[in-house]
Amino acid sequence: AQSVAQPEDQVNVAEGNPLTVKCTYSVSGNPYLFWYVQYPNRGLQFLLKYITGDNLVKGSYGFEAEFNKSQTSFHLKKPSALVSDSALYFCAVRLNYGQNFVFGPGTRLSVLP
Amino acid sequence: SAVISQKPSRDICQRGTSLTIQCQVDSQVTMMFWYRQQPGQSLTLIATANQGSEATYESGFVIDKFPISRPNLTFSTLTVSNMSPEDSSIYLCSVYDTGTEAFFGQGTRLTVV
Repeated sequence: AQSVAQPEDQVNVAEGNPLTVKCTYSVSGNPYLFWYVQYPNRGLQFLLKYITGDNLVKGSYGFEAEFNKSQTSFHLKKPSALVSDSALYFCAVRLNYGQNFVFGPGTRLSVLP
Repeated sequence: SAVISQKPSRDICQRGTSLTIQCQVDSQVTMMFWYRQQPGQSLTLIATANQGSEATYESGFVIDKFPISRPNLTFSTLTVSNMSPEDSSIYLCSVYDTGTEAFFGQGTRLTVV
């Protein structure tokens, strides 16, 4: 069965510092990997995805993520955090077309001014 | 990307009543889904809304409690029936069609009193 872990419930970072939100997954086969962000009272917004190719993928709002197959990880990163990045972040995995998404438990990011 | 309109955005309902949530997509999509996000939790898939046939429910969700309609490729409804306080959650409509990312409505925040 597919599963997604986000080991940190909460990440705090000072504005201007780099941020990392961690994600590890467990699937059999080659996964599609995604990051979504949820702002208060909003639905989920797509940030970026890894399907195939370059292990470093770039997405919206300056975010990027690195796929590491040997460590089965897909950590979300940003070189310089903004206060407006404060939100709930979800990692998700999908095995292939037609398969449902499996979401991680979410990590709340707080960027402190 | 698909644009999804979900109504209502929030509601407060009396226990024992029912609420119908609407999801309208700006383009035809093959796959539409309904998720529940309980307070402080991740997303849980309720069901796949199938056009022209009965929805496919995930374990723990039944049609009598969460009837779903999908009359065409751009519209679906989810009804939360005979509500109790435990049904207080955010309900999210989602679509994906090309084997890659999913798109979400802004969610319906339901409070049952």
